[in-house]
Amino acid sequence: GAVVSQHPSRVICKSGTSVKIECRSLDFQATTMFWYRQFPKKSLMLMATSNEGSKATYEQGVEKDKFLINHASLTLSTLTVTSAHPEDSSFYICSARDREGRHYEQYFGPGTRLTVT
Amino acid sequence: AQKITQTQPGMFVQEKEAVTLDCTYDTSDQSYGLFWYKQPSSGEMIFLIYQGSYDEQNATEGRYSLNFQKARKSANLVISASQLGDSAMYFCAMRDPGTGTYKYIFGTGTRLKVLA
Repeated sequence: GAVVSQHPSRVICKSGTSVKIECRSLDFQATTMFWYRQFPKKSLMLMATSNEGSKATYEQGVEKDKFLINHASLTLSTLTVTSAHPEDSSFYICSARDREGRHYEQYFGPGTRLTVT
Repeated sequence: AQKITQTQPGMFVQEKEAVTLDCTYDTSDQSYGLFWYKQPSSGEMIFLIYQGSYDEQNATEGRYSLNFQKARKSANLVISASQLGDSAMYFCAMRDPGTGTYKYIFGTGTRLKVLA
């Protein structure tokens, strides 16, 4: 149980285009999902917290107009990187909090590697 | 402010031996949760073990145990009988209850290499 999927796993796009990444909780309902960014050999940096049916809460320094987050259902959240530039190239990971979980644990997706050329 | 510190950027251990990965934390909250995750080169984050601040006993999950010393604010991960497949990045995280979203604060990670 507690499986989170992400799609796509890898994406290469041209500078100036937009890319959408999907995060799905497959076997549980997630009222809260989180989006992280990870640079090579670095820790995870929380970008935003996404609550089903409401606007996402962005961390300080994260541009909400550039990283659009939508949490349309209890099992799906999407991150859209708009007008992508090479500096947006990174590993993006989502996680979902199991609302039935005893410890409010987060389950992570396998990540999406974005390369902007 | 909440903070997680992992002071060991890299560790080596011989196969079949035990290894301890250090983690210290800082929080003024009385109720908090501590987690350890493993991240192999594939990138996925694998949940290993959880310790609640009110848990009196150290958490154990198979070959993983958490040495929880509340007064010292440390939550070290102990891996017994290391295997080659344990080679990975390990992150300590604390659940931040203050915001109500239960977001995590991560440490900088420790890269473990198990030697044959």
